[in-house]
Amino acid sequence: AQSVTQPDIHITVSEGASLELRCNYSYGATPYLFWYVQSPGQGLQLLLKYFSGDTLVQGIKGFEAEFKRSQSSFNLRKPSVHWSDAAEYFCAVGPTSGGYNKLIFGAGTRLAVHP
Amino acid sequence: EAGVTQFPSHSVIEKGQTVTLRCDPISGHDNLYWYRRVMGKEIKFLLHFVKESKQDESGMPNNRFLAERTGGTYSTLKVQPAELEDSGVYFCASSHPSGRGGYTFGSGTRLTVV
Repeated sequence: AQSVTQPDIHITVSEGASLELRCNYSYGATPYLFWYVQSPGQGLQLLLKYFSGDTLVQGIKGFEAEFKRSQSSFNLRKPSVHWSDAAEYFCAVGPTSGGYNKLIFGAGTRLAVHP
Repeated sequence: EAGVTQFPSHSVIEKGQTVTLRCDPISGHDNLYWYRRVMGKEIKFLLHFVKESKQDESGMPNNRFLAERTGGTYSTLKVQPAELEDSGVYFCASSHPSGRGGYTFGSGTRLTVV
């Protein structure tokens, strides 16, 4: 079955600390991969996506993610977290053919940032 | 460009009542999607329109849910009659016909059925 697992429901880090959010997927083939963020009262904003090529993907707000095919993982990282990064983060996958419709999302990781 | 607009942002209704959610996609985006997140669980696909046609409605939970997109512009999602388990956040998203630009999501409608 196709699925996305985000093992960490809640993570708390101190401002300025590094961050890694984990994402593992189960899919028939290598899918398109996405990370979205939802800040309070906001919609889902695309942080970054992986379609092909370089497995280290740069996104907005200083985030990056690395696709590891052998581990079926697409972990999100940031070297230094800011208080404004407190939000909920979602990993998602989609098919590579016929457009990437019907995204499959993980359950989300809620990030809290301590001053 | 204007983003994807959803309204209402919140709705509280009683079990058995009817609620209609609306989504205005980005102009020119033929693809429109509805997703739902129930109580801290995964965001799940409901259906996909290409213009006014339903491309995939495999995620619609049951026949109490009716989605329309007349004229290929805005879309409505009606729940009739609403049940307690319908509570959640309903997201709409749209994408360019080419698809590869990515989805743009709206801020969602939080539906509470009491």
